[in-house]
Amino acid sequence: RKEVEQDPGPFNVPEGATVAFNCTYSNSASQSFFWYRQDCRKEPKLLMSVYSSGNEDGRFTAQLNRASQYISLLIRDSKLSDSATYLCVVKGSGGGADGLTFGKGTHLIIQP
Amino acid sequence: DADVTQTPRNRITKTGKRIMLECSQTKGHDRMYWYRQDPGLGLRLIYYSFDVKDINKGEISDGYSVSRQAQAKFSLSLESAIPNQTALYFCATSDPAVAGGLYDEQFFGPGTRLTVL
Repeated sequence: RKEVEQDPGPFNVPEGATVAFNCTYSNSASQSFFWYRQDCRKEPKLLMSVYSSGNEDGRFTAQLNRASQYISLLIRDSKLSDSATYLCVVKGSGGGADGLTFGKGTHLIIQP
Repeated sequence: DADVTQTPRNRITKTGKRIMLECSQTKGHDRMYWYRQDPGLGLRLIYYSFDVKDINKGEISDGYSVSRQAQAKFSLSLESAIPNQTALYFCATSDPAVAGGLYDEQFFGPGTRLTVL
C-alpha cells in the first residue's frame, strides 16, 4: 500500500458547486497533515494545515479521520480560480526530510 | 522579490553534460530541500540540508550531488546528465521554529524545468 494515496482525477466541477476529495495515509503514527495547492507549471503552496478537530478557512474545510486514516478537503461555492492540483502531504510517515510524504495530487477543473 | 529563487528556470542539455541548478533564499531558514517532480509520480525528495554543515540523501539521490555554500544557498548538481533526469526540479525551505516545530510549512521556489536530450 502506498504511503499517501489520492485520486488523481480530474474532477470536473461546475462553478458554484461543492467538491470534496480524500487522501488516505498508511502510517497510523503520522503526526500532522497538510493540503498544498499547485497551479499548472508552478510551485506548490500551502493551502491549509489539517488539525485534529478539523478546520475551516473561508470556503475551504479540512477534516482528519485518524480511525480510518484519511484527510479530506471540501471546497464550497467553487470558483474558476480554484482549478489546480491539490497535494496531500503527511508528516511522520517516515519518508523524506522531516518525515514529509507528498501525494501525487488530485487535479480539479472548475468549469464555467 | 521572491523569497526562494531558482536559476536557471529552464535548461536543455545533452546526455553526459554536467549541470548545476542553484537555489537562493532570503527567508533566513536553516532547512533546505531539493525535489523533482515527474508527471504521475508526484514530488520526490533528492537531498536535504538542515544547516550549512548538514547534508542528507533523500529518496532518489543517485546521480545527484549537492552543495550548501551558505545558509541561503543550496545547489544541486547532475554530474553526468541522462534523459531520465528530465523533470521539474524544486528547491524548498522550512523553519520548524516558526510554527512550533509541528506544523512547519515548506516554501518552494518557482522550479527549474530541465530537459536532457
